[in-house]
Amino acid sequence: QVRLVQSGAEVKRPGASVKVSCKTAGYTFTDSYMHWVRQAPGQGLEWMGWINPNRGGTNYGQKFQGRVTMTRDTSISTAYMELSRLRSDDTAVYYCASGIERHQLVPFYWGQGTLVIVSS
Amino acid sequence: DIQMTQSPSSLSASVGDRVTITCRASQSISPYLNWYQQKPGKAPRLLIYDASTLQSGVPSRFSGSGSGTAFTLTISSLQPEDFATYYCQQSYNTLTFGGGTKVEIK
Repeated sequence: QVRLVQSGAEVKRPGASVKVSCKTAGYTFTDSYMHWVRQAPGQGLEWMGWINPNRGGTNYGQKFQGRVTMTRDTSISTAYMELSRLRSDDTAVYYCASGIERHQLVPFYWGQGTLVIVSS
Repeated sequence: DIQMTQSPSSLSASVGDRVTITCRASQSISPYLNWYQQKPGKAPRLLIYDASTLQSGVPSRFSGSGSGTAFTLTISSLQPEDFATYYCQQSYNTLTFGGGTKVEIK
């Protein structure tokens, strides 16, 4: 079955960068867009962007443009999300979520989430 | 960006109740409206996509309807495992989520 397994929790200082990984299994990695969504403590869901693992094309949410970079390594079916110039309000759980072939813009399958804490 | 407004933001209901949650978009998005369920400490789970298509494995007591800018999620008979927060999300263009509806035990 489809599995998305994310890297572990991170604690970062303000101004630093964080890179979260999302290793996939159970489907053809290059067939489905990978989305990144975050959730601040006690808050709702916020879409950050997607990457097309096939050609590496990306679409970032306006709020994150200039600070987020989404990449992938097709040899190990893994997607990455790097957020730079971290601030305290970037403290959140970060999720990867994959679409499916005919519904690339619908996050069907989700990783377990990665907690990123930004604190001095 | 397309804005998504959910109502109510929270509700209290009893097991067996019929529950309806509404989601409105700032422009027409048919049929690109999806519904998720999230329980505390867990990742969201897709329930319904394209406004009314039930995701595999989701109980039939969940249903979605609507078109244009107005959509609803209905739980026909609320079960104990349905107490959670529900989010709508548009996939017409760059994705946006509604603010969520917390369904609590009455």
